[in-house]
Amino acid sequence: AQKITQTQPGMFVQEKEAVTLDCTYDTSDPSYGLFWYKQPSSGEMIFLIYQGSYDQQNATEGRYSLNFQKARKSANLVISASQLGDSAMYFCAMSDYNTDKLIFGTGTRLQVFP
Amino acid sequence: GAVVSQHPSRVICKSGTSVKIECRSLDFQATTMFWYRQFPKKSLMLMATSNEGSKATYEQGVEKDKFLINHASLTLSTLTVTSAHPEDSSFYICSAVTPDTQYFGPGTRLTVL
Repeated sequence: AQKITQTQPGMFVQEKEAVTLDCTYDTSDPSYGLFWYKQPSSGEMIFLIYQGSYDQQNATEGRYSLNFQKARKSANLVISASQLGDSAMYFCAMSDYNTDKLIFGTGTRLQVFP
Repeated sequence: GAVVSQHPSRVICKSGTSVKIECRSLDFQATTMFWYRQFPKKSLMLMATSNEGSKATYEQGVEKDKFLINHASLTLSTLTVTSAHPEDSSFYICSAVTPDTQYFGPGTRLTVL
């Protein structure tokens, strides 16, 4: 069975600093996708970044980068130059290519302080 | 990016009534939509897969007679919570699948009194 683990319930970071949110996964399927979503207090889920299991390079989207270490089964999210508006819940998720279903981790609450 | 809407955003109802939540993909067609449920301070749990033109498939433990899903067109899926009870109070989020990713709706907060 697939599983996503986020071990950091909460993280603090100072504005303009970088922060890494941890995510490990477990699957026996060779084909899968890894996602990060941001959920502000309004509740909407905002797509941040995607990494395919066969992608050779780490995904990057603006200030977001995904540190994909396949052998370790980790897909950490790195946010560079944190902004106050980055304060939110962050969810790591995994899908398999066959069903597109997403399995979510328990989330990490990031708080950015001035 | 693709836009998915949900209506209503908030609903309060009395116990025993039914509530319908709509999920629309606004600028693309989605053969598949998902419905998730999120409890306070909890992660999202997949409830069911909504497929246009066919019956929804439900995850284990989700009552299909209680949570009726209808995917009437390529841009609309509805979730009806039948005979709602206070324990059904939750945040319901839909997502629409594209070839590249999933896009989530803004969510519907259901409160059953």
